[in-house]
Parts: sequence; structure tokens; C-alpha cells
Amino acid sequence: EAQVTQNPRYLITVTGKKLTVTCSQNMNHEYMSWYRQDPGLGLRQIYYSMNVEVTDKGDVPEGYKVSRKEKRNFPLILESPSPNQTSLYFCASRFGAGEAYEQYFGPGTRLTVT
Amino acid sequence: SQKIEQNSEALNIQEGKTATLTCNYTNYSPAYLQWYRQDPGRGPVFLLLIRENEKEKRKERLKVTFDTTLKQSLFHITASQPADSATYLCAPPGNTGKLIFGQGTTLQVKP
Repeated sequence: EAQVTQNPRYLITVTGKKLTVTCSQNMNHEYMSWYRQDPGLGLRQIYYSMNVEVTDKGDVPEGYKVSRKEKRNFPLILESPSPNQTSLYFCASRFGAGEAYEQYFGPGTRLTVT
Repeated sequence: SQKIEQNSEALNIQEGKTATLTCNYTNYSPAYLQWYRQDPGRGPVFLLLIRENEKEKRKERLKVTFDTTLKQSLFHITASQPADSATYLCAPPGNTGKLIFGQGTTLQVKP
């Protein structure tokens, strides 16, 4: 089954404790990205990757890091989480860099930073 | 600046009726627009893409229109069912080419 998986699905952590949210897709997609979704603000892109070893900032990259060492995986790293990073996070992938391609989203990771 | 607007108020309709959701955009003209469905606590799921030269697109009970003069896309669900209850997001590309997601309209279909 074609899918994007994320782990963990739920995470409660404390300020400053480094964490990683994993993302994996089994569709051989070149393009992957991370979004956060907040009430009243909608989905906002954090980082994206057009291919292995190619990453770039989205609209809200501050406080986040990503890496793309393998085509299927695109982890999101919060080096020093802060309460304003409490949010619902989605990983997404699509076939190519063209924005018209449909995006496949993961199930989401609900992060709470206290 | 470019802006995407969806009705923030929930839309409540009776089962069997047609639901119509609106997506308005201002200050630019996207070449296409995508629609997604999102269930509570889950990731969005792609439904349809419509291009500016298509005017109308259908998929089963779904119909999307794209009016470049009014700068508006309408999303219709005919013969609605309680299972259609969800939040629907429109997503046109912005001036940079990247998708901009609207905040979504929540549809509630009552039996």
C-alpha cells in the first residue's frame, strides 16, 4: 500500500530536549516536505526536499532542521524545542518537484512542548 | 499580497442535499487549484486538481469549478452522505509556485 508514515504519532516533551520526528514514504517520490498545522493559520511549509541531499527552507523554517540522506526518509529535527513549536506536524511526498502533482500526507504527529 | 479565503464557518446540511464550498483568491491568478479532504487528526487527502482552462471537473459525486473572472473555485458534493463530513481545503499555488493551503471549511452532513 502506498503510504507516508510518521513516528511518533504523539509526543510530549520539555523545552530544550532535542527530538526527531521520522518520516518515510514507499512510493519512490523525489519530493518530500514538512508542514505544521495550527488553528487559524492552516498548513504552513517548514522545509522541503527535491531529492537526496537537496533541501531548502519553506515558509516557517526557524527552529527546525531536516536531512535527506535516503530517498525514502525525511526526518524533522528540533534541536531545542520551545513551546511555540507545539503543533500538529505532517510529512508529505509527491512524485516530482512540480507543484501540480498531488501530495500524499502522513497521519500527523501531535507535538506538545512544555 | 496573495490571499486564499475559505468560509471559516462550518457548513451544516442534510443528507442527500448538495454541499457547496467556496475558495476565493485575491491579488493573483493561479494556473490551477487542488482540493483536499482532511478528517480530524489525520493528514489531508488529495481529491481533485482543476486547471484554469478547465472550468469544471468531476469525480464521482464531486464537482469542482474554476472561475478566473470571479477568482473563485466552487467545490460541490452531490447527494451528500454523513461520511462526507470532514474539512475541505483548497490549495492553489502562490506566486512562488508553492502550494498555499486555505484554512478549510468544515462540512457536517446530518442524517
